[in-house]
Amino acid sequence: SAVISQKPSRDICQRGTSLTIQCQVDSQVTMMFWYRQQPGQSLTLIATANQGSEATYESGFVIDKFPISRPNLTFSTLTVSNMSPEDSSIYLCSASDRSHEQYFGPGTRLTVT
Amino acid sequence: AQKITQTQPGMFVQEKEAVTLDCTYDTSDQSYGLFWYKQPSSGEMIFLIYQGSYDEQNATEGRYSLNFQKARKSANLVISASQLGDSAMYFCAMRGFQKLVFGTGTRLLVSP
Repeated sequence: SAVISQKPSRDICQRGTSLTIQCQVDSQVTMMFWYRQQPGQSLTLIATANQGSEATYESGFVIDKFPISRPNLTFSTLTVSNMSPEDSSIYLCSASDRSHEQYFGPGTRLTVT
Repeated sequence: AQKITQTQPGMFVQEKEAVTLDCTYDTSDQSYGLFWYKQPSSGEMIFLIYQGSYDEQNATEGRYSLNFQKARKSANLVISASQLGDSAMYFCAMRGFQKLVFGTGTRLLVSP
């Protein structure tokens, strides 16, 4: 199984600022994803991070708000831009190399004040 | 479109007893996979078990088994011999072509 790390593990940010979350996988993987989990809610897919090309965003999520990079097969970043209190959530990186496996990082707990 | 439904917001079970967490799904895909994850209060998502749509036998992983009824589109998780450490949120998820879609989750509380 892939081991996924995320940085930072948590942060408190002021509204209007941006935060970049890093995700590192210990092996090359085909697919990387970013999810959001709002307080008391389930996980919602933000986007699929594509290596060497623009991410594929889900309905309701846009590149200007959540720019994503994936420069290689083991690393991706998610930026939460121009933050508001509604962006307070856990952001989780996920990776998959085979259809029957999908693993998650420990998450980044973001609070926007 | 894929949809996962978990109708039990919360479940209670006594230690050492078995518990079943319900999950139904809807998809037009012929090939898909069903996953269960455990999320303790620490927030990490722990992969528990996987069932492929073409798998003929129900998946098992230690104390976890998946009761897969394809015609009913259900994929219930059975936890045998519950332990106090099993108290957590449990999410059912389905993956079709590429995306993993989650249900709303069931909070399991195991009492001594």
